Amino acid sequence: QVQLVESGGGLVKPGGSLRLSCAASGFTFSDYYMTWIRQAPGKGLEWLSYITNSGNNIYYSDSVQGRFTVSRDNAKKLLFLQMDSLRPEDTAIYYCSRERGGEFAAFDIWGRGTMVTVSP
Amino acid sequence: SSELTQDPAVSVALGQTVRITCQGDSLRNYYASWYQQKPGQAPVFVIYGKNNRPSGIPDRFSGSSSGNTASLTITGAQAEDEADYYCNSRDSSGLRVVFGGGTHLTVL
Repeated sequence: QVQLVESGGGLVKPGGSLRLSCAASGFTFSDYYMTWIRQAPGKGLEWLSYITNSGNNIYYSDSVQGRFTVSRDNAKKLLFLQMDSLRPEDTAIYYCSRERGGEFAAFDIWGRGTMVTVSP
Repeated sequence: SSELTQDPAVSVALGQTVRITCQGDSLRNYYASWYQQKPGQAPVFVIYGKNNRPSGIPDRFSGSSSGNTASLTITGAQAEDEADYYCNSRDSSGLRVVFGGGTHLTVL
């Protein structure tokens, strides 16, 4: 079935780095824009970045621009989020999601998320 | 503005109709999508476009839009509809995405 599974979360110190992965299955990954969204404990959803299906265009929120890098490997059906210069306020559940084809910002498939904790 | 504004909390009596709203300048140019999130779970996609429901979403959920306001309506709310609801859309530039702050729905 159509599925997204995130991995790579964990505990990291401020200033550290972490790389998240999102494995896609059940659909033609290379046809879809993909996005990363996070949710801090007890807070709402925050969009971080999306990458076009080819990977040629990537957009970031102001909060992560310059610190986070999104990439994808269409052959392996993987989406990545490289997080550098991590701050305590980056502590959150990180979700990857698929943008429904032809529909702006309509995220139809979500993973279960992976928890990232930034703490000394 | 690149913000979407939602009421923090709304309540509805069991079986009654409730409307959850989302306001923002970007909604004049882009449709909102809506998501339901229950505690400890990932969000679930419930409405997109003019008024479209993904497969598996009950038809008591509907969407509408007017000017800078998008609405999610639940007609005949059920106990299982108690959840947080988020709207989102592209921002005014069209290059980024913005989420509303979320509305907690209580079914009484």
